[in-house]
Amino acid sequence: QSALTQPRSVSGSPGQSVTISCPGTSSYGGDYNSVSWYQQHPGKAPRLIIYRVSERPSGVPDRFSGSKYGDTASLTISGLQAEDEADYYCYSYAGDYPYVFGTGTKVTVL
Amino acid sequence: EVQLVQSGAEVKKPGESLKISCKGSGYNYAAYWIGWVRQMPGKGLEWMGIIYPADSDTRYSPSFQGQVTISVDKSISTAYLQWNSLKASDTAMYYCARQSVQTPTFDYWGQGTLVTVSS
Repeated sequence: QSALTQPRSVSGSPGQSVTISCPGTSSYGGDYNSVSWYQQHPGKAPRLIIYRVSERPSGVPDRFSGSKYGDTASLTISGLQAEDEADYYCYSYAGDYPYVFGTGTKVTVL
Repeated sequence: EVQLVQSGAEVKKPGESLKISCKGSGYNYAAYWIGWVRQMPGKGLEWMGIIYPADSDTRYSPSFQGQVTISVDKSISTAYLQWNSLKASDTAMYYCARQSVQTPTFDYWGQGTLVTVSS
């Protein structure tokens, strides 16, 4: 497949939690933990926020968390803040492709 | 400090050739993959391909195989993305990014190079 299918958009009020799913991350074998997530604000380069399913790089707030159950990886933003309004992409190993991004999810803070 | 610095914006005509660059600094350039990612206007990220500077091992997405060429000059810590004959549909922002050997993670990104192809 050329992309992992994410929900087109999710929204929440400040302080709430939102979760973005990314199914298909185990469809091609490989390392089960080969999932990362990226945040992209308009006009900016993407930024790594989660790697190896649930690890956070230094400097990324702990309100961002990642998980994976079976074939589906998820990104949860807890305590939503205005600056979290952005596009989010998952990224994973994909066999012959050999890597692929998700289709992207727009997070709107109401 | 790890940095990836890309070449500047380009405006080209259909049929022209182009080579854009991505220069790394602040780390052992040969020891990390460099990937290229396309983002068409208003669209998502697309994985194009990746190169390992130590031995120039290159992998392409089937969507981009034969459409672009990825190369590297490790002596100057610079990777390249090249087109032989541009099309209007190549108009996009192109990012390079560093990926570790151990896990598919783009941990550092270039600032992007905007390529506009128009007659």
